[in-house]
Amino acid sequence: DTEVTQTPKHLVMGMTNKKSLKCEQHMGHRAMYWYKQKAKKPPELMFVYSYEKLSINESVPSRFSPECPNSSLLNLHLHALQPEDSALYLCASSQRLAVDQPQHFGDGTRLSIL
Amino acid sequence: AQTVTQSQPEMSVQEAETVTLSCTYDTSESDYYLFWYKQPPSRQMILVIRQEAYKQQNATENRFSVNFQKAAKSFSLKISDSQLGDAAMYFCAYRSAVRGFGNEKLTFGTGTRLTIIP
Repeated sequence: DTEVTQTPKHLVMGMTNKKSLKCEQHMGHRAMYWYKQKAKKPPELMFVYSYEKLSINESVPSRFSPECPNSSLLNLHLHALQPEDSALYLCASSQRLAVDQPQHFGDGTRLSIL
Repeated sequence: AQTVTQSQPEMSVQEAETVTLSCTYDTSESDYYLFWYKQPPSRQMILVIRQEAYKQQNATENRFSVNFQKAAKSFSLKISDSQLGDAAMYFCAYRSAVRGFGNEKLTFGTGTRLTIIP
């Protein structure tokens, strides 16, 4: 069982829809991450939160809007997505935002944009 | 910028045999961390093993061990006594040890898909 829980596991949405991806961990980790992974490619970092504050934004389009309402929860709000945004979205957490801290990943949300 | 290269897109091994997955990287830094992650069809990325560049001793975790050659910038993963559950995509990843904005990100290789033959 994964210690990082992502919901939903699958999401199909139209380009005009608004939806949110949710990530939760109860390990007391204070750093949380969003990655995007296309088929047969490695994950690409999107956002990093440290102590509920956005620390890194890897030049992600504004149609993706992250939110960290508390230390256990990380959301990714989606609006007006494009077909090329279809991918697996992985959430990860680590004890702290420090280079020696391993990241623990969730199962991901597979997103399909119609 | 650092790069990570996995030159074997696919590998296969007979169950109970040993297989080695290769990874090379390019960096100008002297201190860093290297990781192997496993991603089975269930999609979750699972940390397999971690190596700190300043440690000469190769890391081991049960059936998994690495051959870390710092001068050659090589970081291969050896899986002994392969099991069916080892079938997955394996990603090699690099992380700088220099503390600073943006250095916390993982740089992944393109992955090696490992198949276990019963």
